[in-house]
Amino acid sequence: GQNIDQPTEMTATEGAIVQINCTYQTSGFNGLFWYQQHAGEAPTFLSYNVLDGLEEKGRFSSFLSRSKGYSYLLLKELQMKDSASYLCAVGDSNYQLIWGAGTKLIIKP
Amino acid sequence: IAGITQAPTSQILAAGRRMTLRCTQDMRHNAMYWYRQDLGLGLRLIHYSNTAGTTGKGEVPDGYSVSRANTDDFPLTLASAVPSQTSVYFCASSDSPGGGGTDTQYFGPGTRLTVL
Repeated sequence: GQNIDQPTEMTATEGAIVQINCTYQTSGFNGLFWYQQHAGEAPTFLSYNVLDGLEEKGRFSSFLSRSKGYSYLLLKELQMKDSASYLCAVGDSNYQLIWGAGTKLIIKP
Repeated sequence: IAGITQAPTSQILAAGRRMTLRCTQDMRHNAMYWYRQDLGLGLRLIHYSNTAGTTGKGEVPDGYSVSRANTDDFPLTLASAVPSQTSVYFCASSDSPGGGGTDTQYFGPGTRLTVL
């Protein structure tokens, strides 16, 4: 079957760095997406990886290793507004997105 | 530009009633999707449409139907609601179906549905 695994919850301190991991087993691979979802709101796009390596976008970076079925989202200089759930999603062989359950990130002052 | 709108924002529905959730996008995206999101689970695809006039079944299509008469609208209908359909429903769209950076999905604000 297809499976996306992420930690359920993580806690970090304002100003610090946090890494959210995602491992996947899917039928085929057509890119990996990270989305941010604040409580009660819609998911919003953060990043996309299709080749191995690191993609940097401001305070957020995303890494992909296709051979390991592994990705991480790195958030630097954490701010209180970064408190949200972070969703990992993989495009499968049918070009449909398979979603992880999300990681709830709690930022403490 | 509004992006994607959904209506209603929330609804309480008696079991057995028929309900249509509305979704409209103004980005001229070809592909549209309906997901449900339940606590502790990832977003699950209900139905999708790769282009106007076509629809397909996702992971959890039972009890739901969709239509895609034009590019902008993609309504989701629950023919006879049951309590297990209590969920938050998100509509999304992408420029084109399939994988790839151009196929980033953009989400509407969601509809919170409670079936009693």
